[in-house]
Amino acid sequence: GNSVTQMEGPVTLSEEAFLTINCTYTATGYPSLFWYVQYPGEGLQLLLKATKADDKGSNKGFEATYRKETTSFHLEKGSVQVSDSAVYFCALGSGTGKLIFGQGTTLQVKP
Amino acid sequence: NAGVTQTPKFQVLKTGQSMTLQCAQDMNHEYMSWYRQDPGMGLRLIHYSVGAGITDQGEVPNGYNVSRSTTEDFPLRLLSAAPSQTSVYFCASSQGLAGALSEQFFGPGTRLTVL
Repeated sequence: GNSVTQMEGPVTLSEEAFLTINCTYTATGYPSLFWYVQYPGEGLQLLLKATKADDKGSNKGFEATYRKETTSFHLEKGSVQVSDSAVYFCALGSGTGKLIFGQGTTLQVKP
Repeated sequence: NAGVTQTPKFQVLKTGQSMTLQCAQDMNHEYMSWYRQDPGMGLRLIHYSVGAGITDQGEVPNGYNVSRSTTEDFPLRLLSAAPSQTSVYFCASSQGLAGALSEQFFGPGTRLTVL
């Protein structure tokens, strides 16, 4: 079945450091891939998405490229801020209409 | 627009009690779903609906019932609460199927504790 694996956290960085959160997936067919972010005490909100191989999703300085050859969708940001501290979820959407989430990665950015 | 609203925000139940978690959306979305969030396990799909009168099971449906009588509302019922149902519950909606381009909009969550 479909599945998503994320790197374990927590990830602790200093402000302005480079961020990478790894995400790999297993799926049949041609899934869509998403990154959602959850700020403390809130629900999830979409950060970015990609719907086909080699697509790059981007938003708020975050980027992720849909790599079919390595079945990956790693999240990157060149310079993190304290306000980026949150839990980040990689997710896979298939034609069944179900969204499969990774276990989430907590990011803490220190000033 | 209020978006996706959930009530209550917090709830404590005793084992064996029943309750309904409410979810409503005002975006005229066809697709609605319920997830539970547990530490280290991400979000797991409980039930979902692709329109009024149509529901289906997700990954972890046991112990939960749903119905969809209107486009706006999608309540989740716990018939006999168990400690294993202690979790944070999120309702979400989207215009199309989650597998398509559609962004899912999440409610603020309900934190449930079963003693």
